Amino acid sequence: DAGVTQSPTHLIKTRGQHVTLRCSPISGHKSVSWYQQVLGQGPQFIFQYYEKEERGRGNFPDRFSARQFPNYSSELNVNALLLGDSALYLCASRLDLNTEAFFGQGTRLTVV
Amino acid sequence: GQQVMQIPQYQHVQEGEDFTTYCNSSTTLSNIQWYKQRPGGHPVFLIQLVKSGEVKKQKRLTFQFGEAKKNSSLHITATQTTDVGTYFCAGLGSNDYKLSFGAGTTVTVRA
Repeated sequence: DAGVTQSPTHLIKTRGQHVTLRCSPISGHKSVSWYQQVLGQGPQFIFQYYEKEERGRGNFPDRFSARQFPNYSSELNVNALLLGDSALYLCASRLDLNTEAFFGQGTRLTVV
Repeated sequence: GQQVMQIPQYQHVQEGEDFTTYCNSSTTLSNIQWYKQRPGGHPVFLIQLVKSGEVKKQKRLTFQFGEAKKNSSLHITATQTTDVGTYFCAGLGSNDYKLSFGAGTTVTVRA
């Protein structure tokens, strides 16, 4: 069974640019969540999707957006990148909203 | 909004000793989950507690969910070098099903 896959694994962008991060959940899982993890801190909740509908948004600016596709894969978009957006972006796949999360390896984003 | 706090932030343990990490939520939780993240890795699920007062054991790890479903603890006995990593608690909100993570307890072990 394939686990949660994220792409790309590493990315370097310049301030002001746009980035799209992708996630494929475990087959059969209906929920995808996105987290931002800065070095030395816990994952911070960005978005949660369930059955292709947004079911929660964390305390992040409107520069952050996401969507879930009919095949349950998901994209996280970040516009007008700032240096402070540099972090590990984690995608979490859950069978249902009250079950455990399986994380992908993450995308390491560096903004210069 | 829901906040999950975790202490201590760092735990330096002599191999063979025991330690406990604590987790507190500002709101009542649907369940509490624990994850472990090794350096350079991603969080890996350890266990989920659902019932008030629930206690679960995994070998040398003991997890407890408080009676009010707002706090939890992880106790590790006879710490080994394989226990190195950061342990996160994550609270599942009762209404929004948002999984909120604590800041983690980073464990280092002295041989």
